[in-house]
Amino acid sequence: NAGVMQNPRHLVRRRGQEARLRCSPMKGHSHVYWYRQLPEEGLKFMVYLQKENIIDESGMPKERFSAEFPKEGPSILRIQQVVRGDSAAYFCASSPRTGRSTDTQYFGPGTRLTVL
Amino acid sequence: DAKTTQPPSMDCAEGRAANLPCNHSTISGNEYVYWYRQIHSQGPQYIIHGLKNNETNEMASLIITEDRKSSTLILPHATLRDTAVYYCIAPNYGQNFVFGPGTRLSVLP
Repeated sequence: NAGVMQNPRHLVRRRGQEARLRCSPMKGHSHVYWYRQLPEEGLKFMVYLQKENIIDESGMPKERFSAEFPKEGPSILRIQQVVRGDSAAYFCASSPRTGRSTDTQYFGPGTRLTVL
Repeated sequence: DAKTTQPPSMDCAEGRAANLPCNHSTISGNEYVYWYRQIHSQGPQYIIHGLKNNETNEMASLIITEDRKSSTLILPHATLRDTAVYYCIAPNYGQNFVFGPGTRLSVLP
């Protein structure tokens, strides 16, 4: 069973461009979470999605950032008009959320975004 | 999330047991305790979780005190590859994980 897949692993963008980060959850997992880790800092929750629904986006910046998890295909984290402060590692996690108390989240290897 | 407190850093000799403490004095009855680690800049790796009883798997053991206000992650025979930042998390029911600064474990040869 493949783990959580993220691509690309490294992404370089110039200021003002768009960045698209993809996350394929583990097989059988229908819940996806995105986290951001700035250099030398801890992981910060951004958004929690189920298929076709955003459940909690309390950690998402109000502007330029959006996320989706369509019925088919991977979850996408989209950053428009990137700025240097967006340079960070972005991690995706997935869980099965079977209805018990918060289920274990399994993390992908991350996408390292560098904004020039 | 129940607030968790961990020492910022610890050292452990290779081959010895590493005992990483975590305080979660405000934990409620239905909040699990999760442990993850992050090796260098890799994605966080799930280690173990528990509610009341002690738990053991192929990676580690988790000892939770009877009052559930603290727990200890035990790596029975630490290796150099266990050098990482270890995170203790106690999320509210149905809520998302909050990662604190964790404990930076250095396994020394």
